[in-house]
Amino acid sequence: ETGVTQTPRHLVMGMTNKKSLKCEQHLGHNAMYWYKQSAKKPLELMFVYSLEERVENNSVPSRFSPECPNSSHLFLHLHTLQPEDSALYLCASSQHRTATGELFFGEGSRLTVL
Amino acid sequence: AQKVTQAQTEISVVEKEDVTLDCVYETRDTTYYLFWYKQPPSGELVFLIRRNSFDEQNEISGRYSWNFQKSTSSFNFTITASQVVDSAVYFCALSEARPDKLIFGTGTRLQVFP
Repeated sequence: ETGVTQTPRHLVMGMTNKKSLKCEQHLGHNAMYWYKQSAKKPLELMFVYSLEERVENNSVPSRFSPECPNSSHLFLHLHTLQPEDSALYLCASSQHRTATGELFFGEGSRLTVL
Repeated sequence: AQKVTQAQTEISVVEKEDVTLDCVYETRDTTYYLFWYKQPPSGELVFLIRRNSFDEQNEISGRYSWNFQKSTSSFNFTITASQVVDSAVYFCALSEARPDKLIFGTGTRLQVFP
């Protein structure tokens, strides 16, 4: 079992749907992250949570809404998305929110918006 | 401004060849960290190495080696005697003491053929 688990692995949704991506980490880490990976673009940091508190929102549109109910779970709620939001969404965790720590990533949720 | 450039989009080699993946970074900070991550077809990014800006010693780990040169702002990664299992996308990343987030390059896709 990987340390960071993401579900679903694949998701297809229409622009008017509401869906959620789930991330769970089994590593006892205190910080969790959402990254967006689009083709031929660098990974983009979307949100950072430290001890369940959102500490960074990297100018992400409001159609993406994160939720961190506890230090082990992180959600990304999706509504009224656009086709350009189609991407691989990666969740990661780290022991602490620092520049020196390594990130542990999940396998990602591949989102297709029709 | 922080930036990471991986000029090689895709590299193809035959098994047992040596291959070097280039990474050039830009930062104004004197304290920073450099990373390499591997993304196999399964999707999750796997941490390979972290170097801080005060340690320019080259590092070797098995078939992997890293060459950090501050004079040219480069942090190159060499795989010796490549194997098919090395096929993946490799990302170079930079983080500064503040803000504490990773800036990724666009990645280099390595294909190793038998």
